[in-house]
Amino acid sequence: AQKITQTQPGMFVQEKEAVTLDCTYDTSDQSYGLFWYKQPSSGEMIFLIYQGSYDEQNATEGRYSLNFQKARKSANLVISASQLGDSAMYFCAMRVMDSNYQLIWGAGTKLIIKP
Amino acid sequence: SQTIHQWPATLVQPVGSPLSLECTVEGTSNPNLYWYRQAAGRGLQLLFYSVGIGQISSEVPQNLSASRPQDRQFILSSKKLLLSDSGFYLCAFRDMNEKAFFGQGTRLTVV
Repeated sequence: AQKITQTQPGMFVQEKEAVTLDCTYDTSDQSYGLFWYKQPSSGEMIFLIYQGSYDEQNATEGRYSLNFQKARKSANLVISASQLGDSAMYFCAMRVMDSNYQLIWGAGTKLIIKP
Repeated sequence: SQTIHQWPATLVQPVGSPLSLECTVEGTSNPNLYWYRQAAGRGLQLLFYSVGIGQISSEVPQNLSASRPQDRQFILSSKKLLLSDSGFYLCAFRDMNEKAFFGQGTRLTVV
């Protein structure tokens, strides 16, 4: 079965420290995509980063990087030099092999950055 | 640039009343459109998706329906709301790079 697991329901991190949010996935497909989204308290979903299953290098977008370990089926999000504005819910998602772009979602991790 | 608009942002409706949430997309044509629901503190559940005008696929049998009267318009409806319909509803579209972009969301409370 295709599944996304985020084992950290909540995290507290000191401002300016690096943060790693865990995500493991389960799929039998050879081709898939992994996403991270940020959801602040306002509710909107903000795309952060994408990693394709055939991408050999880890994706990076500014302060965000995705630590992709294919053999372990993990796709952890790393936020460098955390800021107060990073406080939000973070969701990991996986695109399944479906032409209609189904996304499988994790339960999310609530990240709180402490000043 | 591509944008997505969703309204209203918040809605309080009594049980048994109808519902209509609207989503429109700009800057793209023939997008794949999606309606998601998010229960409090939970992940997203796909409700409906549409690959074209009049083409709706339902993922979860429920009290809701969707329609796509125009290429860039996607509507979520209900004839009679239930308490269990309360939640946060998000409209989304897929861009050419396979990424999904979301509207601001509608927080629906059924009382």
